[in-house]
Amino acid sequence: DGGITQSPKYLFRKEGQNVTLSCEQNLNHDAMYWYRQDPGQGLRLIYYSQIVNDFQKGDIAEGYSVSREKKESFPLTVTSAQKNPTAFYLCASSINSVNTEAFFGQGTRLTVV
Amino acid sequence: DAKTTQPPSMDCAEGRAANLPCNHSTISGNEYVYWYRQIHSQGPQYIIHGLKNNETNEMASLIITEDRKSSTLILPHATLRDTAVYYCIVRIYGSGNTGKLIFGQGTTLQVKP
Repeated sequence: DGGITQSPKYLFRKEGQNVTLSCEQNLNHDAMYWYRQDPGQGLRLIYYSQIVNDFQKGDIAEGYSVSREKKESFPLTVTSAQKNPTAFYLCASSINSVNTEAFFGQGTRLTVV
Repeated sequence: DAKTTQPPSMDCAEGRAANLPCNHSTISGNEYVYWYRQIHSQGPQYIIHGLKNNETNEMASLIITEDRKSSTLILPHATLRDTAVYYCIVRIYGSGNTGKLIFGQGTTLQVKP
């Protein structure tokens, strides 16, 4: 089946450790996005990539890093510099960044203890 | 970036039409209106989008005013499964833009038996 897959669904890490969240899509989409959602809040953009080997910072990029070495993969690393890493992380992709809908994965809930 | 304003919550009786309003008075000519919904702890689900004409698909109808400053999402026969947070979003497109989705707080729709 085609789709966008995030793994794992739940992730626990100790404070001070870096952690990488996986996002894979087999939809042949050029654009991919990472969002963060806190309880009772809307989604905020962390990073986005319009094409392979290119990415830009979103609204809350501090403490995060990404790579886009392959079209189908856009991993997000939550570094120890992120002050409040506990959140629900959502990955999305779209055919392009123009007028096509974006499809979301089911999210990864990261808890840092 | 244009912002959207939605009522924080609405109720609807099962089987009746749910009309969800959205204000986007600062929308510009190159911005589409998108609607997504999110059920607790899941990724947002795409519903519909439009530029200036009314749109209809199997899930909903989107009515955009002539001046494009507001829109209404219509779920023609709401069911209990339609209970979710509904996000009205403007999406920027065009050269040099990200295509990012700007999420607000959304409207929590409660469909009641």
